[in-house]
Amino acid sequence: GQQLNQSPQSMFIQEGEDVSMNCTSSSIFNTWLWYKQEPGEGPVLLIALYKAGELTSNGRLTAQFGITRKDSFLNISASIPSDVGIYFCAGPLNNAGNMLTFGGGTRLMVKP
Amino acid sequence: SQTIHQWPATLVQPVGSPLSLECTVEGTSNPNLYWYRQAAGRGLQLLFYSVGIGQISSEVPQNLSASRPQDRQFILSSKKLLLSDSGFYLCAWSPTGTQYFGPGTRLTVL
Repeated sequence: GQQLNQSPQSMFIQEGEDVSMNCTSSSIFNTWLWYKQEPGEGPVLLIALYKAGELTSNGRLTAQFGITRKDSFLNISASIPSDVGIYFCAGPLNNAGNMLTFGGGTRLMVKP
Repeated sequence: SQTIHQWPATLVQPVGSPLSLECTVEGTSNPNLYWYRQAAGRGLQLLFYSVGIGQISSEVPQNLSASRPQDRQFILSSKKLLLSDSGFYLCAWSPTGTQYFGPGTRLTVL
Protein backbone atom coordinates (compact mmCIF):
# COMPACT_ATOMS: atom_id res chain seq x y z
CA GLY A 1 0.00 0.00 0.00
CA GLN A 2 0.93 3.63 -0.13
CA GLN A 3 3.41 4.75 2.49
CA LEU A 4 4.18 8.24 3.65
CA ASN A 5 7.66 9.03 4.87
CA GLN A 6 8.03 11.99 7.17
CA SER A 7 11.26 13.69 8.05
CA PRO A 8 12.76 14.50 10.33
CA GLN A 9 11.42 12.05 12.89
CA SER A 10 12.08 14.53 15.67
CA MET A 11 13.30 18.08 16.11
CA PHE A 12 14.52 19.93 19.18
CA ILE A 13 14.67 23.64 18.53
CA GLN A 14 15.00 26.94 20.33
CA GLU A 15 11.94 29.14 20.74
CA GLY A 16 11.78 31.66 17.92
CA GLU A 17 13.37 29.42 15.32
CA ASP A 18 11.62 28.46 12.12
CA VAL A 19 10.72 24.81 11.53
CA SER A 20 10.50 22.85 8.32
CA MET A 21 9.32 19.29 7.87
CA ASN A 22 8.30 17.24 4.89
CA CYS A 23 6.38 14.23 3.78
CA THR A 24 7.04 12.10 0.71
CA SER A 25 5.17 9.34 -1.05
CA SER A 26 6.00 6.85 -3.76
CA SER A 27 2.53 7.45 -5.23
CA ILE A 28 0.70 10.54 -6.42
CA PHE A 29 -1.80 12.09 -4.04
CA ASN A 30 -4.60 14.50 -4.88
CA THR A 31 -4.96 15.67 -1.28
CA TRP A 32 -2.48 16.34 1.48
CA LEU A 33 -3.47 16.84 5.10
CA TRP A 34 -1.41 18.03 8.03
CA TYR A 35 -2.38 17.26 11.63
CA LYS A 36 -0.94 18.24 15.00
CA GLN A 37 -1.25 16.01 18.04
CA GLU A 38 -0.52 17.44 21.45
CA PRO A 39 0.39 15.08 24.29
CA GLY A 40 -2.58 13.04 25.47
CA GLU A 41 -4.97 14.41 22.87
CA GLY A 42 -6.32 13.45 19.49
CA PRO A 43 -4.80 14.85 16.28
CA VAL A 44 -6.23 18.14 15.09
CA LEU A 45 -6.41 19.06 11.41
CA LEU A 46 -4.20 22.06 10.68
CA ILE A 47 -4.18 22.44 6.92
CA ALA A 48 -5.71 20.65 3.95
CA LEU A 49 -4.20 20.95 0.45
CA TYR A 50 -6.10 19.98 -2.69
CA LYS A 51 -4.08 21.25 -5.64
CA ALA A 52 -0.51 20.68 -6.83
CA GLY A 53 1.60 23.74 -6.11
CA GLU A 54 -0.93 25.08 -3.61
CA LEU A 55 0.49 27.09 -0.73
CA THR A 56 -1.80 27.51 2.28
CA SER A 57 -1.25 29.32 5.54
CA ASN A 58 -2.85 29.00 8.96
CA GLY A 59 -1.34 31.63 11.22
CA ARG A 60 2.37 30.90 11.58
CA LEU A 61 1.95 27.60 9.71
CA THR A 62 2.40 27.28 5.98
CA ALA A 63 1.99 24.08 3.99
CA GLN A 64 2.70 23.39 0.36
CA PHE A 65 1.41 20.71 -2.00
CA GLY A 66 4.43 19.63 -4.02
CA ILE A 67 4.41 20.08 -7.78
CA THR A 68 5.11 16.39 -8.36
CA ARG A 69 2.11 15.54 -6.12
CA LYS A 70 4.38 13.13 -4.28
CA ASP A 71 5.41 15.40 -1.47
CA SER A 72 4.26 18.11 0.89
CA PHE A 73 5.98 20.51 3.25
CA LEU A 74 4.98 22.15 6.50
CA ASN A 75 6.76 25.20 7.85
CA ILE A 76 6.30 26.88 11.21
CA SER A 77 7.67 30.35 11.63
CA ALA A 78 8.90 31.85 14.91
CA SER A 79 8.19 28.74 16.97
CA ILE A 80 6.73 29.04 20.46
CA PRO A 81 6.52 26.48 23.29
CA SER A 82 2.90 25.59 22.48
CA ASP A 83 4.02 24.31 19.06
CA VAL A 84 5.23 21.20 20.87
CA GLY A 85 3.61 18.03 19.61
CA ILE A 86 3.67 15.45 16.87
CA TYR A 87 2.90 16.60 13.35
CA PHE A 88 1.41 14.03 10.99
CA CYS A 89 0.92 14.21 7.26
CA ALA A 90 -1.85 12.19 5.66
CA GLY A 91 -3.22 11.43 2.24
CA PRO A 92 -6.11 9.45 0.78
CA LEU A 93 -5.70 5.74 0.14
CA ASN A 94 -8.58 5.58 -2.33
CA ASN A 95 -10.43 7.77 -4.80
CA ALA A 96 -13.40 8.09 -2.46
CA GLY A 97 -11.14 9.82 0.05
CA ASN A 98 -12.67 7.97 2.99
CA MET A 99 -9.49 6.10 3.87
CA LEU A 100 -6.31 7.88 4.86
CA THR A 101 -2.73 6.80 5.21
CA PHE A 102 -0.60 8.62 7.77
CA GLY A 103 3.07 9.37 7.98
CA GLY A 104 5.02 8.29 11.04
CA GLY A 105 5.01 11.82 12.43
CA THR A 106 7.56 14.49 13.28
CA ARG A 107 7.96 15.10 17.00
CA LEU A 108 8.67 18.76 17.68
CA MET A 109 10.18 19.94 20.95
CA VAL A 110 10.69 23.64 21.63
CA LYS A 111 13.08 24.94 24.24
CA PRO A 112 11.94 28.21 25.82
CA SER B 1 -21.08 22.10 14.25
CA GLN B 2 -19.89 18.54 14.56
CA THR B 3 -18.35 17.14 17.71
CA ILE B 4 -16.93 13.74 18.53
CA HIS B 5 -16.80 12.23 21.99
CA GLN B 6 -14.95 9.27 23.42
CA TRP B 7 -15.58 7.51 26.67
CA PRO B 8 -13.83 6.77 28.96
CA ALA B 9 -10.83 9.09 28.79
CA THR B 10 -8.58 6.66 30.63
CA LEU B 11 -8.90 3.03 31.57
CA VAL B 12 -6.77 0.55 33.49
CA GLN B 13 -7.77 -3.06 33.01
CA PRO B 14 -6.28 -6.42 34.02
CA VAL B 15 -5.19 -8.94 31.41
CA GLY B 16 -8.05 -11.17 30.39
CA SER B 17 -10.78 -8.68 31.25
CA PRO B 18 -13.34 -7.42 28.70
CA LEU B 19 -13.24 -4.01 27.04
CA SER B 20 -15.80 -1.58 25.73
CA LEU B 21 -14.85 1.84 24.39
CA GLU B 22 -17.49 4.16 23.05
CA CYS B 23 -17.37 6.86 20.43
CA THR B 24 -20.27 9.14 19.53
CA VAL B 25 -20.56 11.87 16.94
CA GLU B 26 -22.94 14.81 17.03
CA GLY B 27 -24.04 17.23 14.36
CA THR B 28 -23.80 14.98 11.33
CA SER B 29 -25.56 11.98 9.87
CA ASN B 30 -24.25 8.81 8.24
CA PRO B 31 -20.58 9.60 8.89
CA ASN B 32 -17.75 7.22 8.12
CA LEU B 33 -16.31 6.16 11.48
CA TYR B 34 -12.87 4.84 12.33
CA TRP B 35 -10.96 3.29 15.24
CA TYR B 36 -7.21 3.80 15.41
CA ARG B 37 -4.64 2.65 17.94
CA GLN B 38 -1.48 4.55 18.73
CA ALA B 39 1.36 2.97 20.69
CA ALA B 40 3.47 5.33 22.80
CA GLY B 41 5.45 7.68 20.59
CA ARG B 42 4.30 5.93 17.45
CA GLY B 43 2.04 6.58 14.49
CA LEU B 44 -1.60 5.73 13.90
CA GLN B 45 -2.71 2.19 13.16
CA LEU B 46 -6.16 1.81 11.60
CA LEU B 47 -8.12 -0.95 13.34
CA PHE B 48 -11.69 -0.72 12.00
CA TYR B 49 -13.82 1.51 9.85
CA SER B 50 -17.53 1.70 9.21
CA VAL B 51 -19.52 3.29 6.40
CA GLY B 52 -22.92 2.66 7.99
CA ILE B 53 -24.92 0.92 10.71
CA GLY B 54 -23.84 -2.67 11.10
CA GLN B 55 -21.12 -2.32 8.45
CA ILE B 56 -17.65 -2.94 9.87
CA SER B 57 -14.38 -3.53 8.07
CA SER B 58 -11.35 -4.82 9.93
CA GLU B 59 -7.89 -3.76 8.91
CA VAL B 60 -5.82 -5.73 11.38
CA PRO B 61 -6.71 -9.22 12.68
CA GLN B 62 -6.57 -9.27 16.47
CA ASN B 63 -8.65 -9.91 19.56
CA LEU B 64 -10.57 -6.65 19.16
CA SER B 65 -13.93 -6.17 17.50
CA ALA B 66 -16.08 -3.18 16.58
CA SER B 67 -19.76 -2.56 16.28
CA ARG B 68 -21.97 0.26 15.06
CA PRO B 69 -25.37 -0.14 16.67
CA GLN B 70 -26.53 3.36 15.78
CA ASP B 71 -25.67 5.82 13.03
CA ARG B 72 -23.47 7.99 15.21
CA GLN B 73 -22.17 5.43 17.69
CA PHE B 74 -19.08 3.28 17.25
CA ILE B 75 -17.94 0.78 19.87
CA LEU B 76 -14.63 -1.00 20.24
CA SER B 77 -14.69 -4.22 22.25
CA SER B 78 -12.64 -7.13 23.41
CA LYS B 79 -13.63 -10.29 25.25
CA LYS B 80 -10.17 -10.79 26.77
CA LEU B 81 -7.55 -8.07 26.86
CA LEU B 82 -3.88 -8.74 26.22
CA LEU B 83 -0.92 -6.75 27.49
CA SER B 84 -0.25 -5.72 23.88
CA ASP B 85 -3.66 -4.02 23.73
CA SER B 86 -2.33 -1.13 25.80
CA GLY B 87 -2.25 2.13 23.89
CA PHE B 88 -4.08 5.27 22.95
CA TYR B 89 -7.31 4.57 21.09
CA LEU B 90 -8.64 7.22 18.78
CA CYS B 91 -12.01 7.42 17.12
CA ALA B 92 -12.43 9.54 14.01
CA TRP B 93 -15.25 10.57 11.74
CA SER B 94 -15.10 11.60 8.13
CA PRO B 95 -17.10 13.59 5.67
CA THR B 96 -15.07 13.19 2.49
CA GLY B 97 -11.36 13.67 2.14
CA THR B 98 -10.56 14.49 5.75
CA GLN B 99 -10.90 12.87 9.15
CA TYR B 100 -11.61 14.50 12.49
CA PHE B 101 -10.45 12.82 15.65
CA GLY B 102 -11.89 12.45 19.10
CA PRO B 103 -9.95 13.15 22.30
CA GLY B 104 -8.85 9.53 22.67
CA THR B 105 -8.93 6.84 25.36
CA ARG B 106 -5.73 5.86 27.14
CA LEU B 107 -5.89 2.12 27.85
CA THR B 108 -3.41 0.43 30.15
CA VAL B 109 -3.56 -3.34 30.46
CA LEU B 110 -1.75 -4.71 33.52
